[in-house]
Amino acid sequence: GENVEQHPSTLSVQEGDSAVIKCTYSDSASNYFPWYKQELGKGPQLIIDIRSNVGEKKDQRIAVTLNKTAKHFSLHITETQPEDSAVYFCAARSPGYALNFGKGTSLLVTP
Amino acid sequence: GAVVSQHPSWVICKSGTSVKIECRSLDFQATTMFWYRQFPKQSLMLMATSNEGSKATYEQGVEKDKFLINHASLTLSTLTVTSAHPEDSSFYICSARFELAPYEQYFGPGTRLTVT
Repeated sequence: GENVEQHPSTLSVQEGDSAVIKCTYSDSASNYFPWYKQELGKGPQLIIDIRSNVGEKKDQRIAVTLNKTAKHFSLHITETQPEDSAVYFCAARSPGYALNFGKGTSLLVTP
Repeated sequence: GAVVSQHPSWVICKSGTSVKIECRSLDFQATTMFWYRQFPKQSLMLMATSNEGSKATYEQGVEKDKFLINHASLTLSTLTVTSAHPEDSSFYICSARFELAPYEQYFGPGTRLTVT
């Protein structure tokens, strides 16, 4: 089955800097890659996603890139703010299957 | 955006009792919903896939007689933890999937279950 690896497990950046979180997946049939943000005690919130026919997608300060050949995708957050502090999960999905999640990255943005 | 609600947000029950958690998609219909369990500082563990009008599909190792799932309508799925024990204490999160490609999944706010 699909295996999603996520790095780093923790990330600390200064406010205003960029943060990058990377994920790799194993199933070449995977075609949908969402990213979720989870704040303490809350459910995950879908923040951006990308489909396999697209290499990059951007939404204001967040962007996701996908390299299908290398089977990896990344989340980029620019001009980080303290409210970006949370746990971020990447996921990958093959057609007809459920999402497979990475283990999460705890992002801390310090003022 | 798509909104998924869960009720209750937290519950404390005595060992041996049953607890029902409701998951509703508020502004879209969802043929498929998912139930996850999450331990502190860990990722989401899929327990079962809930399909409207049919039996749920459980992941390996999840007891279907203990975690009863009912998906009676396109906007409501329920998870009942039967004969709860302290080891069932956890954060339970449901998710509803859009009917149209790319079939985004939206999560509820979660239910904190504590069994004493």
